Amino acid sequence: AQSVTQPDIHITVSEGASLELRCNYSYGATPYLFWYVQSPGQGLQLLLKYFSGDTLVQGIKGFEAEFKRSQSSFNLRKPSVHWSDAAEYFCAFTGGGNKLTFGTGTQLKVEL
Amino acid sequence: ETGVTQTPRHLVMGMTNKKSLKCEQHLGHNAMYWYKQSAKKPLELMFVYNFKEQTENNSVPSRFSPECPNSSHLFLHLHTLQPEDSALYLCASSRSPWEGAYEQYFGPGTRLTVT
Repeated sequence: AQSVTQPDIHITVSEGASLELRCNYSYGATPYLFWYVQSPGQGLQLLLKYFSGDTLVQGIKGFEAEFKRSQSSFNLRKPSVHWSDAAEYFCAFTGGGNKLTFGTGTQLKVEL
Repeated sequence: ETGVTQTPRHLVMGMTNKKSLKCEQHLGHNAMYWYKQSAKKPLELMFVYNFKEQTENNSVPSRFSPECPNSSHLFLHLHTLQPEDSALYLCASSRSPWEGAYEQYFGPGTRLTVT
């Protein structure tokens, strides 16, 4: 079955520390991968996407993600977290077509 | 106006009311979506429209009735809802899949409370 797993439900980091949010997918071919962020009471904002090519992709707000085919992973990273990064983060993928499969989300808390 | 807009942002309705949610996209996209986001549950795709035609109905109860009059507008008509229908309803849009673009852009959502 096609699925996305975000193993960490909650993560707490100190402001200025580095961040890595994990995402693993289950799919029989190379997927199209996305990271979205959702602030409380808001919609989802696209942070970055991977379609093909360079496996390290840069996104908005200083985020990057690395696609590792051998590990079926697409982890999101940021070198230095800001208090405004506190939000919920969703990994998603599609094999092509309209349907995105979303993970259950990781809630990020930033300690000042 | 840019991106995807949704109105109203908040809605409280009784179980016997009829109301509608509105979504408008200003991105020139041809696909539009309704999602339901409930606490502690994954995002649920409800409906998909491509070029105004419904192409996906994810076994949604008939008390939810979508309408897509053109590629820029999407409505969700609500009637005789249940308390478990209380959730954040998100609209999204994208280019059509056969254009090779799959990312979806979301509106801010409508927080629906059914009393």
